[in-house]
Amino acid sequence: EADIYQTPRYLVIGTGKKITLECSQTMGHDKMYWYQQDPGMELHLIHYSYGVNSTEKGDLSSESTVSRIRTEHFPLTLESARPSHTSQYLCASSVMATGDEQFFGPGTRLTVL
Amino acid sequence: DQQVKQNSPSLSVQEGRISILNCDYTNSMFDYFLWYKKYPAEGPTFLISISSIKDKNEDGRFTVFLNKSAKHLSLHIVPSQPGDSAVYFCAASESGGSNYKLTFGKGTLLTVNP
Repeated sequence: EADIYQTPRYLVIGTGKKITLECSQTMGHDKMYWYQQDPGMELHLIHYSYGVNSTEKGDLSSESTVSRIRTEHFPLTLESARPSHTSQYLCASSVMATGDEQFFGPGTRLTVL
Repeated sequence: DQQVKQNSPSLSVQEGRISILNCDYTNSMFDYFLWYKKYPAEGPTFLISISSIKDKNEDGRFTVFLNKSAKHLSLHIVPSQPGDSAVYFCAASESGGSNYKLTFGKGTLLTVNP
């Protein structure tokens, strides 16, 4: 079944730790995205990718980095987590077409103590 | 400056009645609009979309209306069901844009009471 997966679903870590949030999709979509969302707020685009070896920064400045070595995989890394990084991180994908909806994963709820 | 605005943070309706969720936008380049539904601790799921060449799109209990001159769209849910209780996000994109990115509103929490 075609889907988009994120792991872990929940993560509580201490300040200064390096973390990687995983995102994989089995739909063969070219475009992938990372959003950050806080309660009661809009989703903010922090990274996106057109395809393999393509990564771009989104509208919201983020200290995280991403990579796209395989079409299906788009991990997000924080080298040194801080309490200000506490948020929900949502991964999405879409086909390379105008007006096509984005499909979202279940999200990772990150808490940095 | 928010380009997509959902001015009602919450809405409460009775089961069986109509739910109307509103969304306003400021960017006249937006020409494709979507509604997403989000349950707590889950990712948003796509509900319905509308292109700017249309003023209405219907899918079962869900209908989206677009008023381009007013830069306003609305989502109607009829009849509302308790399972519809969730946060609803309005999103917009420019088809001529280079990255097809979506700009989201802050969402409206819909509560449908039995």
